[in-house]
Amino acid sequence: AQTVTQSQPEMSVQEAETVTLSCTYDTSESNYYLFWYKQPPSRQMILVIRQEAYKQQNATENRFSVNFQKAAKSFSLKISDSQLGDTAMYFCAFIDLITQGGSEKLVFGKGTKLTVNP
Amino acid sequence: ETGVTQTPRHLVMGMTNKKSLKCEQHLGHNAMYWYKQSAKKPLELMFVYNFKEQTENNSVPSRFSPECPNSSHLFLHLHTLQPEDSALYLCASSQDPSIGSPLHFGNGTRLTVT
Repeated sequence: AQTVTQSQPEMSVQEAETVTLSCTYDTSESNYYLFWYKQPPSRQMILVIRQEAYKQQNATENRFSVNFQKAAKSFSLKISDSQLGDTAMYFCAFIDLITQGGSEKLVFGKGTKLTVNP
Repeated sequence: ETGVTQTPRHLVMGMTNKKSLKCEQHLGHNAMYWYKQSAKKPLELMFVYNFKEQTENNSVPSRFSPECPNSSHLFLHLHTLQPEDSALYLCASSQDPSIGSPLHFGNGTRLTVT
């Protein structure tokens, strides 16, 4: 079974500094996608960034970037120039593209609670 | 405007009640999902509908009954729930799961079973 592990339940960072959230996953598939989602206190899950496994180039989205290490099955999120609005739960998620007639499933980690301090 | 709207936002119900959660998406997506989010646990996939056909029932108890009348609407009918069913229920949609389309989530329904 596919699993996603986020080893940091909580983290904090000072405003304007950089923080890295870790994520590892386990799969025997070669074709899959990875995501980071953000869930602020408003509860809505918002897509932060998406990475395709067959692309070696790390995805970036403004202040958010990933370090994708396929062989190590690692997918960390780096937030640069942290802002107060970045305070939220961050979830790493993985979907493998099943070709045997099953439905594709998005599997989530337990999340990391990030607090940005002024 | 999130594109995915869930109602009600909060729901308190007794164990003998029957209620329904509603989800509506205005994004033209083909797949819709129900997830359960409990404290200290990963999000749990409950049901998936792709082009209105249920493609996943992730061993969910029969006291949860999904309904997808069309590709824009998804319901979760609840009856004789247990206190451990109290959680945040999230609806999501995606354009095409087979190509890794990201999920778009609603704001969730906070369910409390008394």
